[in-house]
Amino acid sequence: QKEVEQNSGPLSVPEGAIVSLNCTYSDRGSQSFFWYRQYSGKSPELIMFIYSNGDKEDGRFTAQVDKSSKYISLFIRDSQPSDSATYLCAVNEGYSTLTFGKGTMLLVSP
Amino acid sequence: DTGVSQDPRHKITKRGQNVTFRCDPISEHNRLYWYRQTLGQGPEFLTYFQNEAQLEKSRLLSDRFSAERPKGSFSTLEIQRTEQGDSAMYLCASSLNGVEAFFGQGTRLTVV
Repeated sequence: QKEVEQNSGPLSVPEGAIVSLNCTYSDRGSQSFFWYRQYSGKSPELIMFIYSNGDKEDGRFTAQVDKSSKYISLFIRDSQPSDSATYLCAVNEGYSTLTFGKGTMLLVSP
Repeated sequence: DTGVSQDPRHKITKRGQNVTFRCDPISEHNRLYWYRQTLGQGPEFLTYFQNEAQLEKSRLLSDRFSAERPKGSFSTLEIQRTEQGDSAMYLCASSLNGVEAFFGQGTRLTVV
């Protein structure tokens, strides 16, 4: 049974803070890793994906994967109130289906 | 709009009725996925298609659920004899060869 664990939060930060979101996963065969953002009542929106160990940066977002510890991170720099949402991490093995965590709720206060 | 399209956006049905949802994927995407999401949970995989072939089904997909993708384009998900536990957001996603999956806006089902 593949599992992805996330702290459900909420994580509350002031505007401008650096946010760190984390996931752990159980399946050593997982090859690609995804972060989705989901606003309340809306569907998940892909933010970033990463295939290998290390870092990937896209604007204010940085994703990190450590396969040895089965740990995934997403950092958000200069957080904005518009970043307030639930952040879902997901993993897949090969190119099949995604296994999602339950999501971490982020609240960025002005 | 070239994104994933789902219809209807909302559906209220009485327990025991059948419902059918439609998903139109991004046009060049060969893979189509159905997920279900309940409050406070991440999306849970139901089934996926590569072109018209249904390649994988979750144990969550009981015999009351059936999905089709007859011509490898749009897909339908039917739930027969709905139960209150079927109330959820049903999400469709598509991808090109299993890389990034993009979600539609979802169909919110309420069974009363």
